Amino acid sequence: GIQVEQSPPDLILQEGANSTLRCNFSDSVNNLQWFHQNPWGQLINLFYIPSGTKQNGRLSATTVATERYSLLYISSSQTTDSGVYFCAVVESGGYQKVTFGTGTKLQVIP
Amino acid sequence: NAGVTQTPKFQVLKTGQSMTLQCAQDMNHNSMYWYRQDPGMGLRLIYYSASEGTTDKGEVPNGYNVSRLNKREFSLRLESAAPSQTSVYFCASMVREGWTEAFFGQGTRLTVV
Repeated sequence: GIQVEQSPPDLILQEGANSTLRCNFSDSVNNLQWFHQNPWGQLINLFYIPSGTKQNGRLSATTVATERYSLLYISSSQTTDSGVYFCAVVESGGYQKVTFGTGTKLQVIP
Repeated sequence: NAGVTQTPKFQVLKTGQSMTLQCAQDMNHNSMYWYRQDPGMGLRLIYYSASEGTTDKGEVPNGYNVSRLNKREFSLRLESAAPSQTSVYFCASMVREGWTEAFFGQGTRLTVV
């Protein structure tokens, strides 16, 4: 099945710093979504982005489906950005099979 | 508009006990899913329901049953809980069959002792 790798696995940032999280996938995908899991365990939708670029406030995401990767940009990080960031993909032709990456754990320190 | 609501939020069971996790969505979505999340393993699909009246197994269905009671509700049942089922369980819904934009509930943290 498709492999989804996220990097880096862990990241510590000073408040105000910028960061880029990466999601690589090993095969063609129909859909891709980024989530933030906050320290209380809640999964929050960030972007549904099978291709192209989207922005929402300090966050933006880009998916280059032909090159099999997606990037999540966090600018001017805040302590509330802490948590785990997951990408999830659906293989082309296998729409029932969703694969989550193992996540990037982000800690933003004051 | 509550989105996806799961109950309970926390539960402790003894080995062999049974329980049902409830999930309801108010977005008129057709597809609903149950996932479990174990430390360091991301989320894995247990069962899904593409539409009212249909259910199918996911990646890790053993030890679970599901019921799609109506379009809004999708429950997950553990008939005889085992310590290996200690996990955080998430319900999700999507507009239609197949992964479109997913909306998750708050999760149920289950401990089996």
